[in-house]
Amino acid sequence: DVKVTQSSRYLVKRTGEKVFLECVQDMDHENMFWYRQDPGLGLRLIYFSYDVKMKEKGDIPEGYSVSREKKERFSLILESASTNQTSMYLCASKRGGVNEQFFGPGTRLTVL
Amino acid sequence: DQQVKQNSPSLSVQEGRISILNCDYTNSMFDYFLWYKKYPAEGPTFLISISSIKDKNEDGRFTVFLNKSAKHLSLHIVPSQPGDSAVYFCAASDVGSGAGSYQLTFGKGTKLSVIP
Repeated sequence: DVKVTQSSRYLVKRTGEKVFLECVQDMDHENMFWYRQDPGLGLRLIYFSYDVKMKEKGDIPEGYSVSREKKERFSLILESASTNQTSMYLCASKRGGVNEQFFGPGTRLTVL
Repeated sequence: DQQVKQNSPSLSVQEGRISILNCDYTNSMFDYFLWYKKYPAEGPTFLISISSIKDKNEDGRFTVFLNKSAKHLSLHIVPSQPGDSAVYFCAASDVGSGAGSYQLTFGKGTKLSVIP
């Protein structure tokens, strides 16, 4: 079974803090993704990566950056957290050439 | 501009009856469609998919129908069970090469409640 893990299930941070969200997958998938889920807005893509050290902006990259130094790990960075970044953050991965993405359990981030 | 639309935010169905969740899309380049199910405080899990070369795919109690001319797909759950209560997301992938082929475009979701 594919396993995607995220470093924290719940996180509370203060405005202006730098926040790191970590995602690890164990199936040697080439592609990894970061989404945020908000009520009434569905899943919105923040960034994705199709290979190590490669990244592409999604639909809502503003205020975020990412890092992929190793194939299995994809990090989402909030350089200076703001209250409008309070959300559920979901990481996903998939093998190249297929459509199905596998999701982690999510991190509920609250920025005070 | 929303390319994948789930126009019903919520749906309530009696246990044992059929649940029909609908999804419309606008991008004619979409060639593969997926349904995900999400429980609160968990990540979405893949449920069923369909390629644009088919009009129906079935997996146990779940069937997805695709009407390409109408740019419409639907998920049927028969019979519905209380454990099916969750948010269901429709997603689409396009046929293009490059960055577009890596992505899924999601609808906003429909919350299904199955009443015992």
